[in-house]
Amino acid sequence: AQKITQTQPGMFVQEKEAVTLDCTYDTSDPSYGLFWYKQPSSGEMIFLIYQGSYDQQNATEGRYSLNFQKARKSANLVISASQLGDSAMYFCAMREGRGSTLGRLYFGRGTQLTVWP
Amino acid sequence: DTAVSQTPKYLVTQMGNDKSIKCEQNLGHDTMYWYKQDSKKFLKIMFSYNNKELIINETVPNRFSPKSPDKAHLNLHINSLELGDSAVYFCASSQFLASETQYFGPGTRLLVL
Repeated sequence: AQKITQTQPGMFVQEKEAVTLDCTYDTSDPSYGLFWYKQPSSGEMIFLIYQGSYDQQNATEGRYSLNFQKARKSANLVISASQLGDSAMYFCAMREGRGSTLGRLYFGRGTQLTVWP
Repeated sequence: DTAVSQTPKYLVTQMGNDKSIKCEQNLGHDTMYWYKQDSKKFLKIMFSYNNKELIINETVPNRFSPKSPDKAHLNLHINSLELGDSAVYFCASSQFLASETQYFGPGTRLLVL
């Protein structure tokens, strides 16, 4: 079974609008971390936001927020007030807390976000 | 200052050759990783090292051998390159194994002809 599922291969949003990128995860480990990374066309991987499984509040970083719904095993990324520079591939990832796999990030297939004027 | 750097950025080579990719981090982190991103953009871990000790060795052909001379460096050597090795290879580092953030290098684009 896939650890991370991103069901939206592509998303389009108009500048200044908000957009939600979906991510669901699968783990039986009570301790885990969820991450979002941005990969622009230049290719680098840029860390955006992190949510720990025991965190009570949803993580926020500037215009990025993570809508963490533990019971649903979802960790959607919300980008508010989209900008043209947000156009990129977005990856959801998970790190489990168990010793043998500690540190390993499992990535989803990514969502290509296009922001139009 | 670049936090995680990789050289070279681009690597074009013939099948059967041996090549190395170097990675250095100046963040003082204990843990370093190699990831492979295939042509469909799927990222998968290959190796991780913690304090120069191999921690994760994913199902990777023996032709791939990582080497960590010190905590700040993790190199990847590939023997007998094959067409299917063409990909982008990312190095990453984190303060500890269970750190909240892994910082990625800019990637090395390997093309095997």
